[in-house]
Amino acid sequence: ETGVTQTPRHLVMGMTNKKSLKCEQHLGHNAMYWYKQSAKKPLELMFVYNFKEQTENNSVPSRFSPECPNSSHLFLHLHTLQPEDSALYLCASSHQGQGYGYTFGSGTRLTVV
Amino acid sequence: AQKVTQAQTEISVVEKEDVTLDCVYETRDTTYYLFWYKQPPSGELVFLIRRNSFDEQNEISGRYSWNFQKSTSSFNFTITASQVVDSAVYFCALSEPRDDYKLSFGAGTTVTVRA
Repeated sequence: ETGVTQTPRHLVMGMTNKKSLKCEQHLGHNAMYWYKQSAKKPLELMFVYNFKEQTENNSVPSRFSPECPNSSHLFLHLHTLQPEDSALYLCASSHQGQGYGYTFGSGTRLTVV
Repeated sequence: AQKVTQAQTEISVVEKEDVTLDCVYETRDTTYYLFWYKQPPSGELVFLIRRNSFDEQNEISGRYSWNFQKSTSSFNFTITASQVVDSAVYFCALSEPRDDYKLSFGAGTTVTVRA
């Protein structure tokens, strides 16, 4: 049990599908993050939420739509993805504004066909 | 600009060898934090260590040890007597107050330990 739970662990979707990734934390953290990790590439920060408000969007295409209904839950809604969007999507949480680092989930391995 | 540089992309060793992973960082803050994370094949990033900028003591935890040198802006990680289970990608990261303590990650070093 990592403290940050991501579902599903694996997802295969067609380019016309709509799916959602879910992340949940019960660590009392108030910041949550989505990262993308493609093969042989560094971790890419996609979105940051502090106290449910989006504070960072790193030029992510609109086919990725995040949602943070409360400080414990974070979603990533996916629609009309491209094959190059296939990657490991990692969720993390932390205490905002403090240098304690992040707790990561196990990730969702996404394949777009 | 890259704030954290892990110059070694891949390292391959035979079991029981020692392996040292290099990490060089760049910051203008006097207070900051440095981290190492391990990412096994399962995908999750596992926290290994957090070090604040005012604590330059080296740390040892079992077969893991860390060498923090402010003079060279380095925070190197050594695995002693490596084992196959140490095979993973290892990330060094920096957290600065000027960036609201968000983590800046290096590109990672893939360690393969052969039996």
